[in-house]
Parts: sequence; structure tokens; C-alpha cells
Amino acid sequence: QKEVEQDPGPLSVPEGAIVSLNCTYSNSAFQYFMWYRQYSRKGPELLMYTYSSGNKEDGRFTAQVDKSSKYISLFIRDSQPSDSATYLCATLNTGGFKTIFGAGTRLFVKA
Amino acid sequence: NAGVTQTPKFQVLKTGQSMTLQCAQDMNHNSMYWYRQDPGMGLRLIYYSASEGTTDKGEVPNGYNVSRLNKREFSLRLESAAPSQTSVYFCASSRDRGVSYEQYFGPGTRLTVT
Repeated sequence: QKEVEQDPGPLSVPEGAIVSLNCTYSNSAFQYFMWYRQYSRKGPELLMYTYSSGNKEDGRFTAQVDKSSKYISLFIRDSQPSDSATYLCATLNTGGFKTIFGAGTRLFVKA
Repeated sequence: NAGVTQTPKFQVLKTGQSMTLQCAQDMNHNSMYWYRQDPGMGLRLIYYSASEGTTDKGEVPNGYNVSRLNKREFSLRLESAAPSQTSVYFCASSRDRGVSYEQYFGPGTRLTVT
């Protein structure tokens, strides 16, 4: 079993839709939960991170962590064509040296 | 401020050839990483350097060597390339000594081994 599981998609939505991207993880020691965005033929860039459980909001983006079910979510409101990219979830435990990345979900937002 | 730069952008090698991928960062970061990205596998850590002069193996180090030349530069060497090493290679850096949730990635090197 992979330590972080993520549906690769692709996920195709119309402009303006609410998008929900999800990951599950297996190691309860993970404490940092990140979402990276990767445009085609570019390197990933950090979009958001949360520490431990709870929600974090940044503009149209909300990151949510449920440690009891080991579930990570990213919600995108009012999705735009410019949101079309691959979204990678990632986890890290304090004191560890390895960031574990999910396989990434490809998102297409159609105008 | 260029961030993280990688050379070359593309490379085609024959099985058994060697090459070095170069990476440099201008953000005065302490930690640097090499990852490979394969379809369906996500990013996997090859090697990691917490500071100048130190390196540690990651998840998939076999067939690779690294050098942390100075604080700015971290190179990845393939001594005898194999088709299984066909991948996209990303270098990354982070500010702190020790792995950070915030890593800055370069644009990647697309390597094909025939």
C-alpha cells in the first residue's frame, strides 16, 4: 500500500464549478499536509499547507485535513481555466526527512 | 532572482552512458533535493542534502550519485544509464536544515535512455 493515495483523474469540470480533490494517507505520524500545483512541463509549486487537523482558506482555495480518517482534501471554488493543472498532495512528519507525494490528480477546467 | 535552475532541460542517452544533471539555487537555502517523477508514481526522492557537505539517500537512490558542491549547487550523476532511469528529474530546495513543507522546484530535466 502506498503511503499516500491519490486518484490520478483526469477530472474535467466547467468553469465556475466547485472542485474537490482528495487524498488518503496511512501513517498517523504525518503532521504537515501540503498541496502542490504543477502546470504542464513545469516544476511543482506549493499552493497551501496545513499543520495537523482542520481547515485553511486562501482565496478560492480551502485545504482540509481529517486526521481521524486520514483524509486530505483541497476545494477550489469558482474554478477557472487557469486552474487547469496537476495537483499533488504531500505529507511530512516532523523529525522525518522525507516528503511523501501522491501521484497527482490532473484537473481540466473548461471555459 | 532565478530561484532553482536545472541543466540540461532535455537529454537522450544510450544505455551505459553517463551524465551529470546540474542544479543551482540563488535563495541561500540550506537543503536541496533530487526527485524523479514517473507517470502514476508521483515524485520520489532520490537524494537529499540538509547542508553543504552532507547527503542522505532517499527512496530510490540506486544507480545515482550526488555531490553538494557548495551551498548553491547540488548535482546528480548517472554513472551507467539504464532505460529504467527514463524519467523527469526535479531539483528542489528549502530554507531550513531539515526537510521542509515548503520546497521550491526547478523546471525539470526530461531524460530518455534508449
